[in-house]
Amino acid sequence: GDSVTQMEGPVTLSEEAFLTINCTYTATGYPSLFWYVQYPGEGLQLLLKATKADDKGSNKGFEATYRKETTSFHLEKGSVQVSDSAVYFCALNTGNQFYFGTGTSLTVIP
Amino acid sequence: NAGVTQTPKFQVLKTGQSMTLQCAQDMNHEYMSWYRQDPGMGLRLIHYSVGAGITDQGEVPNGYNVSRSTTEDFPLRLLSAAPSQTSVYFCASSASRDRGIGELFFGEGSRLTVL
Repeated sequence: GDSVTQMEGPVTLSEEAFLTINCTYTATGYPSLFWYVQYPGEGLQLLLKATKADDKGSNKGFEATYRKETTSFHLEKGSVQVSDSAVYFCALNTGNQFYFGTGTSLTVIP
Repeated sequence: NAGVTQTPKFQVLKTGQSMTLQCAQDMNHEYMSWYRQDPGMGLRLIHYSVGAGITDQGEVPNGYNVSRSTTEDFPLRLLSAAPSQTSVYFCASSASRDRGIGELFFGEGSRLTVL
């Protein structure tokens, strides 16, 4: 069945470091791909998305490119800030269901 | 805009008790869903609905009931709570799309503890 595998954490980075969180997926159809972010004590909120192969989603300095050939949607940011500390979830949508990865906790230290 | 509203935010139950988690959205979304979030397991879909009067099971439906009598509301019922249902529950909604659901909008979550 459809599924998402993402890099396990936790990840700790210094401010202004480069961030990569890996995400790969398995899907039978043509899924849309998402990154959601969860700040402490809150629900998930959409960070970025891509709906077809080679699309690049971007928001708040974060980017991810939909790679059909490698079934991947890795999240990157060139220079992280303390305010980026959160849990990041990769997800795919096919039909009426979303499938989420297990989440990657990111802590950015000053 | 209120978006997706869940109540209560916190609840403690004893094994065997019943309760209902409420979810309401004011965005006229056709699609609504319930997830549970457990450490190391991400979010798992419990039940979902594509419109009033229509519900379907997700990945982990056992022990939970839902109904969808209006577009706005999608309550989740625990008929006989068990410690394994201790979790954080999220309601999420989306406007339907021709291809897939599209972006999910989440509530703030309800933390349930079953003793």
